[in-house]
Amino acid sequence: GAVVSQHPSWVICKSGTSVKIECRSLDFQATTMFWYRQFPKQSLMLMATSNEGSKATYEQGVEKDKFLINHASLTLSTLTVTSAHPEDSSFYICSAPRGRSQHFGDGTRLSIL
Amino acid sequence: KQEVTQIPAALSVPEGENLVLNCSFTDSAIYNLQWFRQDPGKGLTSLLLIQSSQREQTSGRLNASLDKSSGRSTLYIAASQPGDSATYLCAVSPVGTGTASKLTFGTGTRLQVTL
Repeated sequence: GAVVSQHPSWVICKSGTSVKIECRSLDFQATTMFWYRQFPKQSLMLMATSNEGSKATYEQGVEKDKFLINHASLTLSTLTVTSAHPEDSSFYICSAPRGRSQHFGDGTRLSIL
Repeated sequence: KQEVTQIPAALSVPEGENLVLNCSFTDSAIYNLQWFRQDPGKGLTSLLLIQSSQREQTSGRLNASLDKSSGRSTLYIAASQPGDSATYLCAVSPVGTGTASKLTFGTGTRLQVTL
């Protein structure tokens, strides 16, 4: 069964809306989680590392004020896309390390009209 | 900066054929390498994980090899089935963290197995 739950799986909203995506580790604690973005026909690109109890670490070129990350507990990280625009439309996916491997959520497809 | 490349970008084979997917990475200082499967519009399913000290891993009809010194990995799929149709991604994690860390993904190989 799934070890990482991501919600929602699909969002369609108007430009200017803020959208929150949740990533939960099931039955294990994750002090670190990762957020990736995937544009059509491209591979996954790391956006940021979510750290429980401290600030997230963003990859170069990712706007931290636009993509707000909160890791408030050992099982939950949230990504909020603030004032989303059509160019933010993408597939967002989180992962959490467990042992030596990474476990991924099912992803969130975000479409901004 | 680590770069991961996969060849071919797309592949179509008839059912029953054996096939090989290739992955190359520029920085050999890796902690491990994983192969994933991604179905359209879906998340990732981990197929095989190879630690940097290992040469290969097997699971059912899948076999993955790793040659860290040359920066290459292959995923071998035996007796392919239509259900194997998906995009296959390889990803590497860097050394230095002592545990699973952020991944650098390859460009993917889109596989179609036809009847």
